[in-house]
Amino acid sequence: DGGITQSPKYLFRKEGQNVTLSCEQNLNHDAMYWYRQDPGQGLRLIYYSQIVNDFQKGDIAEGYSVSREKKESFPLTVTSAQKNPTAFYLCASISQGSYGYTFGSGTRLTVV
Amino acid sequence: GESVGLHLPTLSVQEGDNSIINCAYSNSASDYFIWYKQESGKGPQFIIDIRSNMDKRQGQRVTVLLNKTVKHLSLQIAATQPGDSAVYFCAENQGNNNDMRFGAGTRLTVKP
Repeated sequence: DGGITQSPKYLFRKEGQNVTLSCEQNLNHDAMYWYRQDPGQGLRLIYYSQIVNDFQKGDIAEGYSVSREKKESFPLTVTSAQKNPTAFYLCASISQGSYGYTFGSGTRLTVV
Repeated sequence: GESVGLHLPTLSVQEGDNSIINCAYSNSASDYFIWYKQESGKGPQFIIDIRSNMDKRQGQRVTVLLNKTVKHLSLQIAATQPGDSAVYFCAENQGNNNDMRFGAGTRLTVKP
């Protein structure tokens, strides 16, 4: 079945550590997105990529980095510069000309 | 900036009753709206969508109504079931690089 796979489901980060969240899709979608979800808030856009080797900052890109070396993959690195990284992270994708996202199942990141 | 918001953060209904979840939007240029359902610890799932040139669209047990005059969107769920318990988000596609904007969500609880 086609879909988006996020891993790991749970991730724990120590202070000052960089961690990378994986997002892989086999839907042949062109665009991919990373959102952050905090309790009681809507999804906030971190980064997005319309095509391979190109990506743009979203509303809350500070402290995060991404890469898009392959169409199927859009990993997100949460760097030590992100001071409040504890949140639920969602990856989404969409094909060109479509309107609705397909979401992954999310990664819950906790700082310990 | 313009945003999508919701009237109520929580909604509790009796099993078998109809549910109505509301959403206000402020960007009159948005041309497409989507309702998503998110169960605890999972990614959002597409429920139903509507274009700005429509005022009503029906799916299986769900209906979305769009009132452009007052910039209001609603999701109606008929014969609500325990499996409908989740957080429901409205989202607007502002037509700019598929940039979706999400509301904070309404938590629907179905009582047996």
